[in-house]
Amino acid sequence: ETGVTQSPTHLIKTRGQQVTLRCSSQSGHNTVSWYQQALGQGPQFIFQYYREEENGRGNFPPRFSGLQFPNYSSELNVNALELDDSALYLCASSVDVQGEQYFGPGTRLTVT
Amino acid sequence: SQQGEEDPQALSIQEGENATMNCSYKTSINNLQWYRQNSGRGLVHLILIRSNEREKHSGRLRVTLDTSKKSSSLLITASRAADTASYFCATEKQAGTALIFGKGTTLSVSS
Repeated sequence: ETGVTQSPTHLIKTRGQQVTLRCSSQSGHNTVSWYQQALGQGPQFIFQYYREEENGRGNFPPRFSGLQFPNYSSELNVNALELDDSALYLCASSVDVQGEQYFGPGTRLTVT
Repeated sequence: SQQGEEDPQALSIQEGENATMNCSYKTSINNLQWYRQNSGRGLVHLILIRSNEREKHSGRLRVTLDTSKKSSSLLITASRAADTASYFCATEKQAGTALIFGKGTTLSVSS
């Protein structure tokens, strides 16, 4: 157990809907990174938040957005869901941007 | 885009045997890390090797890094059924940048 928690565990949404995924970082960590893992693939970097500011973004469209709160927990929001958004979404927290990343258990999103 | 590529994609061995997985990557790196994932759940960090290191050990794990060939290997000695999982290599190009993962090797250890 890493101390990083994510909610919900599973989620089913319909194409076109919006979804919010949540991540609580490990105590003492101020950096959160989000990854998308499609079935049979490795995780792909979505973006990173450091002290409430976006600190790097992968090759994902603007309908993927995020927030980090003063307690360093984070949200991932996805608008206008598409079938290809079906994946395991992982968040990872670290003590700072250069620290080792500790992953949560993930949220499995299914878009129908 | 995937930076690393693991080989083989799948590996089946008997308990007690050694398992070797390889990872190749495309650009220069700051470090390379290996992760384990059980049944599509969260990733567990196994070991990190820096670009100026050639070999690291952690328990039954041995990792090598050859920056001239842009490749790394993960050796698990005396495998156990509990080692059954997917294993991913991830590279960090520069300190503080995003991890870039490969597609993983699925290891199955039968008793």
